[in-house]
Amino acid sequence: EAGVAQSPRYKIIEKRQSVAFWCNPISGHATLYWYQQILGQGPKLLIQFQNNGVVDDSQLPKDRFSAERLKGVDSTLKIQPAKLEDSAVYLCASSSPGQAQETQYFGPGTRLLVL
Amino acid sequence: AQTVTQSQPEMSVQEAETVTLSCTYDTSENNYYLFWYKQPPSRQMILVIRQEAYKQQNATENRFSVNFQKAAKSFSLKISDSQLGDTAMYFCALLEGAGSYQLTFGKGTKLSVIP
Repeated sequence: EAGVAQSPRYKIIEKRQSVAFWCNPISGHATLYWYQQILGQGPKLLIQFQNNGVVDDSQLPKDRFSAERLKGVDSTLKIQPAKLEDSAVYLCASSSPGQAQETQYFGPGTRLLVL
Repeated sequence: AQTVTQSQPEMSVQEAETVTLSCTYDTSENNYYLFWYKQPPSRQMILVIRQEAYKQQNATENRFSVNFQKAAKSFSLKISDSQLGDTAMYFCALLEGAGSYQLTFGKGTKLSVIP
């Protein structure tokens, strides 16, 4: 079974530029999560999707961050404009609607550096 | 609000020895799940072990086992016969059942296995 896929793996941009990250969850997983992991900290949830609907986006900085999951499969997270403090690893995770829905499986992450 | 505390920022262990990583948490829920995730330098977050709060029996997974003390809100991870591949950041995480399934992570413990 293929795992969660993310691209790109690394991205360097200048502040005020825009950037987008892509995630493809494990096949059949209805729930998709985006986390932000700042160096030296644990991941923090940004947004959660159930199929193509948003379940929780309370910690998403909506003035600059946006995310979509149009067909209930892959998802895109965008930052526009980026700030220095957005430098972090962006992790995507997914979980199954079945018995182990509470177990989340993570992708390799996208490491963003904002200069 | 739920919190997860890992009081050991760094630990080291000799190869083949046993090490225990500590985690305490706080939640007002009675139904919740606890996890240990491993994040090697490659950044892929991997599930190590999970524990359902309603189960009294401690979870085990090969060389990994937990000591779950519900009343004390403690959830430690024991790694037996440590191997060089166990070198990684270890994150304790809490998920409150029902609702958004948001994982709350601790700050992590950096484990180094010394040959």
